[in-house]
Amino acid sequence: KAGVTQTPRYLIKTRGQQVTLSCSPISGHRSVSWYQQTPGQGLQFLFEYFSETQRNKGNFPGRFSGRQFSNSRSEMNVSTLELGDSALYLCASSHQLLAGFSYNEQFFGPGTRLTVL
Amino acid sequence: KQEVTQIPAALSVPEGENLVLNCSFTDSAIYNLQWFRQDPGKGLTSLLLIQSSQREQTSGRLNASLDKSSGRSTLYIAASQPGDSATYLCAVKKTGANSKLTFGKGITLSVRP
Repeated sequence: KAGVTQTPRYLIKTRGQQVTLSCSPISGHRSVSWYQQTPGQGLQFLFEYFSETQRNKGNFPGRFSGRQFSNSRSEMNVSTLELGDSALYLCASSHQLLAGFSYNEQFFGPGTRLTVL
Repeated sequence: KQEVTQIPAALSVPEGENLVLNCSFTDSAIYNLQWFRQDPGKGLTSLLLIQSSQREQTSGRLNASLDKSSGRSTLYIAASQPGDSATYLCAVKKTGANSKLTFGKGITLSVRP
């Protein structure tokens, strides 16, 4: 079974630009979450999508948005990029469809390294 | 607000040593706790998942325990190897219908040959 995939793996943008990151979850997984990882703040939750609906949102400005498609693939968009947005953006998926503890395990992709110049 | 703490931030041990990594959390109303491994510049690899009703989980040389009442979890690594060198993160999931994980800052482990 293929793991979580994220594209692109690396991005370099300049301040003021916008960027779209993509995440394909493990087949059959309906929940997709996004996290930002920086050396100073560690891993911080951005948002979670389940069945095309945003189910939970972290404390990030409105410049950060996302969506989920009917095939569970998700995209994350950051508009008006700032230097502080430079980070590793990680996507995680879990089943969450069936009852049972094992379906809550979260699996992470390799991440997208975003550098804002 | 849930806070997860991992101390120390870094640890260096000689190969072959058994070691324990600690994780503490402030809110005991958790659904599960997950331990991850992260190699430099890479994503997270899930190591063990412990449900709130469980006390421990084992996988190979790894054993994770959970004490909800005291807000603590430990990851025990037996017979450490240089390949175990990585950052180890613990994360807790709150009860409720969502997938948000709250992470600790991680412990960077170095196993010396």
